[in-house]
Amino acid sequence: ELKVEQNPLFLSMQEGKNYTIYCNYSTTSDRLYWYRQDPGKSLESLFVLLSNGAVKQEGRLMASLDTKARLSTLHITAAVHDLSATYFCAVSYPSGTYKYIFGTGTRLKVLA
Amino acid sequence: ETGVTQTPRHLVMGMTNKKSLKCEQHLGHNAMYWYKQSAKKPLELMFVYSLEERVENNSVPSRFSPECPNSSHLFLHLHTLQPEDSALYLCASSQDLGGALTQYFGPGTRLLVL
Repeated sequence: ELKVEQNPLFLSMQEGKNYTIYCNYSTTSDRLYWYRQDPGKSLESLFVLLSNGAVKQEGRLMASLDTKARLSTLHITAAVHDLSATYFCAVSYPSGTYKYIFGTGTRLKVLA
Repeated sequence: ETGVTQTPRHLVMGMTNKKSLKCEQHLGHNAMYWYKQSAKKPLELMFVYSLEERVENNSVPSRFSPECPNSSHLFLHLHTLQPEDSALYLCASSQDLGGALTQYFGPGTRLLVL
């Protein structure tokens, strides 16, 4: 059974700082997704990573995928308060199917 | 606006009640999904429909009954629920079932079973 683990589960950081959220998964897949969820809101798609070495960037967020290490990272650069949310990674497993296995999420709080 | 709407947004029901959750997608997608999001647990896939046919029932108890009358609408009928069924129920849609396609989520229905 595929397991998807995120760490940290909670992250409190100062504005202007950099940090990385890690998403590890336990079996082979080359499809990984990052979502953001604000309190009381839906999940918003951030990135779709479809191959080993894929890197996507949007604003202060950058996501990468290493399928050999079964690891994806979400890097935050110079955090701002608006980035406060819960971030989820999800792995398509079996790879290439509609079955998303989600991580438990990382709750990020950016302090002014 | 994600293009996926859900009603009601909040629901409180007793264990003997029958209620239904509704999801509508305005994106022209062919696949729709129900997920359950419980506190401190990952999202769990419950049901998947493609072109109004159910393609996945992820070992969900029979007290949850999905219905997909057309590719734009998805219902989740609830009866004799248990308190542990209290959760956020999320609907999602995607263009098709291909795994490279992003799933778009609705705002969810927060359900409390007393």
